[in-house]
Amino acid sequence: GNSVTQMEGPVTLSEEAFLTINCTYTATGYPSLFWYVQYPGEGLQLLLKATKADDKGSNKGFEATYRKETTSFHLEKGSVQVSDSAVYFCALSDLGGADGLTFGKGTHLIIQP
Amino acid sequence: DTAVSQTPKYLVTQMGNDKSIKCEQNLGHDTMYWYKQDSKKFLKIMFSYNNKELIINETVPNRFSPKSPDKAHLNLHINSLELGDSAVYFCASSRGGLYNEQFFGPGTRLTVL
Repeated sequence: GNSVTQMEGPVTLSEEAFLTINCTYTATGYPSLFWYVQYPGEGLQLLLKATKADDKGSNKGFEATYRKETTSFHLEKGSVQVSDSAVYFCALSDLGGADGLTFGKGTHLIIQP
Repeated sequence: DTAVSQTPKYLVTQMGNDKSIKCEQNLGHDTMYWYKQDSKKFLKIMFSYNNKELIINETVPNRFSPKSPDKAHLNLHINSLELGDSAVYFCASSRGGLYNEQFFGPGTRLTVL
């Protein structure tokens, strides 16, 4: 079956630091890959996505590249802000989405001023 | 306008009761979903549904049942509530297909006493 593994937090960084959150996946087909973000007390928002190998998704300074050879989709940002503090979820969609998204366990990111 | 809405936002109830959570989307999407987020923030698909097919995660107890009066609504009914049902429940929708970008509601925090 499908699975997503991401580094568990909390990850604590200082403002303006470089961020990497690792994500690797296992899938039976050729999945689409996503990063979602959950701010405290809110639902999930799509941060970025990639639908095929070597695609790079980007949004709000965050980037992730779909690496089929390493089955990875690591999230990066060059300079984090306090407002980036949230829980980040890596997810995949396979089989045309009929089975919904398979999520990683989430990484709690804390940015200190 | 809210894309995916859920009511109620909070639900506190006693063991053994039957309750419902409502979900509506105004995005014109064909597929809707219910997810459960446990106390450790882990998200798991419960159901995916479009007007042709209901896919049930095999680990979901049959006390849980989705009801769809029309394409824009997917309500979640829970019978004989148990302590372990306490969680945050998220509704989501997508246009389906390979890319399957999902839009999430704000969540319903269910507490079973």
